[in-house]
Amino acid sequence: NAGVTQTPKFRILKIGQSMTLQCTQDMNHNYMYWYRQDPGMGLKLIYYSVGAGITDKGEVPNGYNVSRSTTEDFPLRLELAAPSQTSVYFCASSSTSGGRNTGELFFGEGSRLTVL
Amino acid sequence: QQQVKQSPQSLIVQKGGISIINCAYENTAFDYFPWYQQFPGKGPALLIAIRPDVSEKKEGRFTISFNKSAKQFSLHIMDSQPGDSATYFCAASGGYAGGTSYGKLTFGQGTILTVHP
Repeated sequence: NAGVTQTPKFRILKIGQSMTLQCTQDMNHNYMYWYRQDPGMGLKLIYYSVGAGITDKGEVPNGYNVSRSTTEDFPLRLELAAPSQTSVYFCASSSTSGGRNTGELFFGEGSRLTVL
Repeated sequence: QQQVKQSPQSLIVQKGGISIINCAYENTAFDYFPWYQQFPGKGPALLIAIRPDVSEKKEGRFTISFNKSAKQFSLHIMDSQPGDSATYFCAASGGYAGGTSYGKLTFGQGTILTVHP
């Protein structure tokens, strides 16, 4: 199994440009997440989804949008990129047991985005 | 209320020594406390986790100690090895009905561990 796959691994954007970070998982997990990681700040939750068609905001959603049309895919859209969005973005998924989220997140390898 | 504070920021240990990383949380509704390990260029991976009904959990060389009254928990790595050199994150979640919140982790700031041979 590939697990959680993110593309692209690296991207440089100019201020004001838009782009989509792709994320797909092959573990049939209902829950999916987008986190951003900044040095010395840990990881912060941007958006999450509890299943196809259902998404909700996390701690730092401004400047981002998501969609979840299938169980496998959870793309993150950056509109009007700003230097503050320079970060490493991680997609993750988690499974359920007995209807409850296990809490164990499986992360992709990350997408490093630089906005100049 | 949602913060998780982690210390130290960096830690250097000799091979065979004990590595200790501490975390403190504020939200008393948190009821799931995992530790993640991250190697350079990789995503974090779950190392060990604890729920507040126990004060300690051990898996091999890794132990979580949990103090509910002090709202603190720590990771102890016994017999530290150069291969343990990585960034470690504590995290916390929970407090919502149905367990849907367990994946909505609040992370600490991270600790860069270096184990010298």
